[in-house]
Amino acid sequence: GQQVMQIPQYQHVQEGEDFTTYCNSSTTLSNIQWYKQRPGGHPVFLIQLVKSGEVKKQKRLTFQFGEAKKNSSLHITATQTTDVGTYFCAGPRRGSTLGRLYFGRGTQLTVWP
Amino acid sequence: NAGVTQTPKFQVLKTGQSMTLQCAQDMNHEYMSWYRQDPGMGLRLIHYSVGAGITDQGEVPNGYNVSRSTTEDFPLRLLSAAPSQTSVYFCASSYADRGLLNTEAFFGQGTRLTVV
Repeated sequence: GQQVMQIPQYQHVQEGEDFTTYCNSSTTLSNIQWYKQRPGGHPVFLIQLVKSGEVKKQKRLTFQFGEAKKNSSLHITATQTTDVGTYFCAGPRRGSTLGRLYFGRGTQLTVWP
Repeated sequence: NAGVTQTPKFQVLKTGQSMTLQCAQDMNHEYMSWYRQDPGMGLRLIHYSVGAGITDQGEVPNGYNVSRSTTEDFPLRLLSAAPSQTSVYFCASSYADRGLLNTEAFFGQGTRLTVV
């Protein structure tokens, strides 16, 4: 089954509102990655977090990795219509085979103009 | 730069037919994976490879075979297509950076497969 749980599954916001998606793992993750998939497109890498408690920012996007390295979040400030898509977290389980990523089910973001 | 190339982009199969989805990467990446994406299910790992000649099963391997004879190519074979295999299939590649377990995965454009 899924090793990485992601909530919510869907989120509808009005343009300008904030958005957050959460990722939780049942086991410790050595690192976590975030991807964005536009409708009809393929997943595109956004960022990787490695250190416990790490926080990284990309313009309006803020990514956090939990202290226990079992959870992570992506926060978008003041959403725009260009933010529409599905956001996935992915991580290898600690000690798992290299190159083997477990993806969350994703959060589908809709932004109303 | 081609990156990860998947062919075909669309395919319709009849139940029981077999076919091969092609995946090629030109980045000399060690790791290659196949995922299927179904509505509400995210990306589920079918098979993966850590190098030429080495493959292993993912979460949902039944009904699929893979081989990795070269670093560049990682074809996915459907042995006897079933309607439950209707899905979007993505191939991805990545490399291992010293000090990190994984680096970013590069995805192909996907193959939309319908089995009738």
